[in-house]
Amino acid sequence: EAQVTQNPRYLITVTGKKLTVTCSQNMNHEYMSWYRQDPGLGLRQIYYSMNVEVTDKGDVPEGYKVSRKEKRNFPLILESPSPNQTSLYFCASSFRGTGDTGELFFGEGSRLTVL
Amino acid sequence: RKEVEQDPGPFNVPEGATVAFNCTYSNSASQSFFWYRQDCRKEPKLLMSVYSSGNEDGRFTAQLNRASQYISLLIRDSKLSDSATYLCVVNKGTGGFKTIFGAGTRLFVKA
Repeated sequence: EAQVTQNPRYLITVTGKKLTVTCSQNMNHEYMSWYRQDPGLGLRQIYYSMNVEVTDKGDVPEGYKVSRKEKRNFPLILESPSPNQTSLYFCASSFRGTGDTGELFFGEGSRLTVL
Repeated sequence: RKEVEQDPGPFNVPEGATVAFNCTYSNSASQSFFWYRQDCRKEPKLLMSVYSSGNEDGRFTAQLNRASQYISLLIRDSKLSDSATYLCVVNKGTGGFKTIFGAGTRLFVKA
């Protein structure tokens, strides 16, 4: 089954404790992206990757890191989480960016709470 | 001003009604436009792309007006299952690597 898998789905952590949210896709997509969703603000792009070892900042990259060592995986790293990073996070993938097919395939989301 | 703006609603309509959503965008260089649907606490899913000539998929019609920089979605004969949040999505440039989502319009269809 074609899918994007995120883990963990739910996490409560404390300020400053490094964490990683994993994202994996099995569709051989070149493009992957991370978003956060907050009430009234919609989804905002954090980082995206056009292919292995190629990443770039979205609109809200501060406080986050990413890596793309393999085509299928695109982890999101919070080196020192803060309460303002409490949010619902979505990973998405696409064959080659939304300009190509338009269809982003999303994971089920990871709800992160930073105390 | 937000780059992509939508009326947050909620829109409360009876079954069978026709409902229209609008979305405006500020970047005149935007190339690609889409409507996504998001059910409560679920991930967004592509509803339809929006083309300059307009396009239709069953009960759904999408229109693009580049001169006025707005996109519309028309839902005819609303069903209970259409209740969801509808997200307007615009890409920021060629390749579609940077995507901007509107905050969404909430629709409730009632029996």
